[in-house]
Amino acid sequence: AQSVAQPEDQVNVAEGNPLTVKCTYSVSGNPYLFWYVQYPNRGLQFLLKYITGDNLVKGSYGFEAEFNKSQTSFHLKKPSALVSDSALYFCAVRDDTGRRALTFGSGTRLQVQP
Amino acid sequence: GAGVSQTPSNKVTEKGKYVELRCDPISGHTALYWYRQSLGQGPEFLIYFQGTGAADDSGLPNDRFFAVRPEGSVSTLKIQRTERGDSAVYLCASSLTGSEGYEQYFGPGTRLTVT
Repeated sequence: AQSVAQPEDQVNVAEGNPLTVKCTYSVSGNPYLFWYVQYPNRGLQFLLKYITGDNLVKGSYGFEAEFNKSQTSFHLKKPSALVSDSALYFCAVRDDTGRRALTFGSGTRLQVQP
Repeated sequence: GAGVSQTPSNKVTEKGKYVELRCDPISGHTALYWYRQSLGQGPEFLIYFQGTGAADDSGLPNDRFFAVRPEGSVSTLKIQRTERGDSAVYLCASSLTGSEGYEQYFGPGTRLTVT
C-alpha cells in the first residue's frame, strides 16, 4: 500500500522569507510524486511533479521540490514567499507499476504574513 | 483551453435519495478519475476510467456507488440510497495516458450534502 505524510497541518512564514512544506512517502517500486495547491472553493491545481531524472524539479509560480530517495521525501520549497501563496498544499504519490490512482497527504495550510 | 468541468457545483439531497454527478474532462484526455474529499482531508481515490471502461474501481466504498463513461468522454458518478456519510466534495480529474507519469487535472468539484 502507498501512503503520504504531511507532518505539519499549518506552516506560517513571513512574506519574502523562504518556505518549505514537508512531504514523505511510502510506495512499492519507484515513486511518481506530485504537488497540488487548493485555493478556497476551487479545485486542485497542479504545481509540479517528479517522475525521473534530476532530483530538483521546478514548477509553477516559482515553486520547486527536491526528491530525496534515501529519506523518501519530496519537500516543496520557494525562495521568497508571497502573501498570494497562502493556500492548502497537497502532496501525492503513485507508483510506476501502472496503477494510476493518486494517494494524497492530508494537506498543509500555508499562511504567508505580510 | 477549457479545463475539467463538473455539474452541479452544489447538490443538496435527502437521505435515501439517488444522485448523479457529472464530469466533462479536458478534450483529448483518455483517462478520467473520480475522488472524494471530506472536510480537512486530502482527496481519496474512487474510480479510474481508461476510455469507456473502468480500469480500477477499487476505491468505491460500496455497491451504492457506480460510475459510467459510455462514450469515453463525459462521466457520471451515481450514488444510490444516499447516506449522511456520503456528504463530501466529489472531484473529477482527467489526464493523458502513456508511459510517463502524466499529471491529473482536476475540476472544481461537486459539493454533495445529504440531509
